[in-house]
Amino acid sequence: KAGVTQTPRYLIKTRGQQVTLSCSPISGHRSVSWYQQTPGQGLQFLFEYFSETQRNKGNFPGRFSGRQFSNSRSEMNVSTLELGDSALYLCASSPENYGYTFGSGTRLTVV
Amino acid sequence: DQQVKQNSPSLSVQEGRISILNCDYTNSMFDYFLWYKKYPAEGPTFLISISSIKDKNEDGRFTVFLNKSAKHLSLHIVPSQPGDSAVYFCAASARSKAAGNKLTFGGGTRVLVKP
Repeated sequence: KAGVTQTPRYLIKTRGQQVTLSCSPISGHRSVSWYQQTPGQGLQFLFEYFSETQRNKGNFPGRFSGRQFSNSRSEMNVSTLELGDSALYLCASSPENYGYTFGSGTRLTVV
Repeated sequence: DQQVKQNSPSLSVQEGRISILNCDYTNSMFDYFLWYKKYPAEGPTFLISISSIKDKNEDGRFTVFLNKSAKHLSLHIVPSQPGDSAVYFCAASARSKAAGNKLTFGGGTRVLVKP
């Protein structure tokens, strides 16, 4: 059974640009959550999508957005990038309300 | 407001001995707790979980204990192996259809197992 796939693995962007990250969940999993990991703030919840609807949202500015498609694949978008957005972005999938499996993450560097 | 805290940033233990990692939480709505192991530049790997209706869950070398009255949980690894060297995260969730899937993580504990 394939795991959670995140693309790309590494990304370098310039301040002010926007970026889109992709996550393909485990087959059959309908919930996709996104997390940001930074050295200073640790692992923080961004948002969760379930059946194409945002079900939960963390305390991040509106520059961070996401969506989920009918096949459960999810994308996360960050607009007007800031240096502080440099982080490891992790996606987790779950069949319902338990059993979270994480992908390997996308390492975003903003220069 | 840190709702989940791991007060020990690091732990060093001899191979074959027990590793004990601690985690405290403040939100009484949390009813499901998980431990993850993480290597740099990789996603967290699920180790073990426990529901609030239990006070102990065991899986091989890993045992998690939950003390609801103290809002405290711990992970025991016995015996510790060099391959266990990683950062361990405690996470908590308030499981309900309304809450959805949201994990609140502790800051992590770096474990070093010495041969």
